[in-house]
Amino acid sequence: DTGVSQDPRHKITKRGQNVTFRCDPISEHNRLYWYRQTLGQGPEFLTYFQNEAQLEKSRLLSDRFSAERPKGSFSTLEIQRTEQGDSAMYLCASSLNNRLNEKLFFGSGTQLSVL
Amino acid sequence: AQTVTQSQPEMSVQEAETVTLSCTYDTSESDYYLFWYKQPPSRQMILVIRQEAYKQQNATENRFSVNFQKAAKSFSLKISDSQLGDAAMYFCAYRSYNGNKLVFGAGTILRVKS
Repeated sequence: DTGVSQDPRHKITKRGQNVTFRCDPISEHNRLYWYRQTLGQGPEFLTYFQNEAQLEKSRLLSDRFSAERPKGSFSTLEIQRTEQGDSAMYLCASSLNNRLNEKLFFGSGTQLSVL
Repeated sequence: AQTVTQSQPEMSVQEAETVTLSCTYDTSESDYYLFWYKQPPSRQMILVIRQEAYKQQNATENRFSVNFQKAAKSFSLKISDSQLGDAAMYFCAYRSYNGNKLVFGAGTILRVKS
């Protein structure tokens, strides 16, 4: 078990291009979260999955953003028609569904730069 | 909506000394969880300590302890015997008892001087 993995670690793209990030959670974890962190700020919640079901989405997740978690394993976050304001670090986290003692394990993030 | 405020953008501490990081939050809920996370240069967020609002006793984890003042909506982190490895960005976070998301503060950079 190597923890939560995110790929790529860095992504540079031109405005208007589409990008996709991947997150591999810890294998037995059934809950998966995406957060976005801009420079000098704390992470902001984007969305979360329980198994393959996307159960909550932030209003920050505009229609250009889509997240999937097929088969309840890895997850992808796609941003279409990127804008400079999308430049941020995108963090993935996973946990076991244990409400009282839930502990999130975070990946190292994907740093997106939109030129 | 809940908010979390960290009023100290940056703090410094001498190695082996004690430092306290401040956090206040705003909520109308009575049951919730509070957390301190550490984000080193590797970027991976690591849970330092958590506190359940219904517990009056302050949480402790080795050199890390909190001062939880529910009425004042304050949740400070005390790091004793500071080590060079404690240097990082520290985030205070809130989660509703039945919620699914963490609400983070803006963070405090902690520098440890040798």
